[in-house]
Amino acid sequence: QSVLTQPPSASETPGQRVTISCSGSSSNIGSNTVNWYQHLPGTAPKLLIYSNDQRPSGVPDRFSGSKSGTSASLAISGLRSEDEGDYYCAAWDDGLNGPVFGGGTKLTVL
Amino acid sequence: QVQLVESGGGVVQPGRSLRLSCAASGFTFSTFGMHWLRQAPGKGLEWVAVIWYDGSNKYYADSVKGRFTISRDDSKNTVYLQMNSLRAEDTAVYYCARGRGDHTNWYFDLWGRGTLVSVSS
Repeated sequence: QSVLTQPPSASETPGQRVTISCSGSSSNIGSNTVNWYQHLPGTAPKLLIYSNDQRPSGVPDRFSGSKSGTSASLAISGLRSEDEGDYYCAAWDDGLNGPVFGGGTKLTVL
Repeated sequence: QVQLVESGGGVVQPGRSLRLSCAASGFTFSTFGMHWLRQAPGKGLEWVAVIWYDGSNKYYADSVKGRFTISRDDSKNTVYLQMNSLRAEDTAVYYCARGRGDHTNWYFDLWGRGTLVSVSS
C-alpha cells in the first residue's frame, strides 16, 4: 500500500479536462509540498509539477497543480492522446523521513 | 544531451549482490545530489537512497538500510548502488534521478529509463 492515495485510473476524451487527486496526511502533504510525475510507456519518468504548482521549463501550461490541506490535485486540460500514461504524486513524509509516492493513476484518453 | 542511463540490472539469487551504475551526461554532475528509486511489479514508486552533491551525506529508505550503499565517482559522472543480501522483495525496476530542492522538498527533475533487477532462485 502506498502512503499517498490516488485513484488507480482516470479517463476522458481528447480536448477535455481531467483531474487526478492525491490524498495524504498531516505528516506528508499537510506539512510539505507536492510534486507530480508523468510516466509514459517506454520512457523515463518526467517531472510535471514541483512545489505544489510550479511547472518546470518545457512543461505546457495545460498541466497545473494545486494543494489544499492534506490533499493535492493535478489537472490536465486540452487532453491529447500522447498524455496517456501513469501519473504519480509525491511528497516528503516527516514520520518516515523520506519522500513518499502515490500508487499512480493510469490515464486513458478515450 | 542531458540524460541518465542506468545499467547493471539482471537476475540474481536471493542473498547475492549486484551493483547498479548510472551514467550522467549533459550537465555538471558534481553539483547535484543523486537518488535511486525503484518500482516493484504492479506497485508504485519507492525512494531508495540519496547521495549529496559532494558525497558528504547519504540517506537510505528503511527497507534497504544496512544492505544497500550509494556512492558516486565525479570523474566518471556516475552514481552507483551496491546491493547486498538481496531479497525477493527487492525485485523492481531501479531508476536513478537527479535531485533538486531542499532536504524536506526533494524532487526529481531528470530520470533514467531504469534497469530491471529480478531476485529469484
